[in-house]
Amino acid sequence: SQQGEEDPQALSIQEGENATMNCSYKTSINNLQWYRQNSGRGLVHLILIRSNEREKHSGRLRVTLDTSKKSSSLLITASRAADTASYFCATDTPSGYSTLTFGKGTMLLVSP
Amino acid sequence: DAGVTQSPTHLIKTRGQQVTLRCSPKSGHDTVSWYQQALGQGPQFIFQYYEEEERQRGNFPDRFSGHQFPNYSSELNVNALLLGDSALYLCASSVIHLGNEQYFGPGTRLTVT
Repeated sequence: SQQGEEDPQALSIQEGENATMNCSYKTSINNLQWYRQNSGRGLVHLILIRSNEREKHSGRLRVTLDTSKKSSSLLITASRAADTASYFCATDTPSGYSTLTFGKGTMLLVSP
Repeated sequence: DAGVTQSPTHLIKTRGQQVTLRCSPKSGHDTVSWYQQALGQGPQFIFQYYEEEERQRGNFPDRFSGHQFPNYSSELNVNALLLGDSALYLCASSVIHLGNEQYFGPGTRLTVT
């Protein structure tokens, strides 16, 4: 079953614009992670934010986490055509050995 | 330093057949997890191996089985293939006690006809 739900399902923007994707989840978490996937191939880890953190930055990426609302957002600033990909949030729940539960993803298209 | 590798890249099988997919984890990683990703969906957790044992299992039937070897590499076996088993199979490796940042391989695309 899917824990996270990304919104929107698809996003189309121009190069240089910012892209914001949201993720909602249902149960308590240890951490939340964002991944990128190009053309149905392997997933690339972007950023991990722990349940006691509220905001994290990595290069052009900014992630926020609101555990009271069970939601997270990923902001990509100054988008480039190379950012075109599907983006997934994944939650790691505090239940024994850690495993990831993914949402359905947001498909981002950045046009030159 | 090689990342996670998977073989084969693509595979076409017929309903009822059996398939074995292989994964070599990133150097220094001791845990391997397998995921199934159907077209247009997010990955779904199949199972996780650590110390050569299945530690966690998702909602998949017993037709899906696996193995981890002493060198931490892993195999995923699927018996009695169904059309619905067609998907991208992803292997991810991690270190068991390091916050579960997982590194994914490129995947094996399985088509069942």
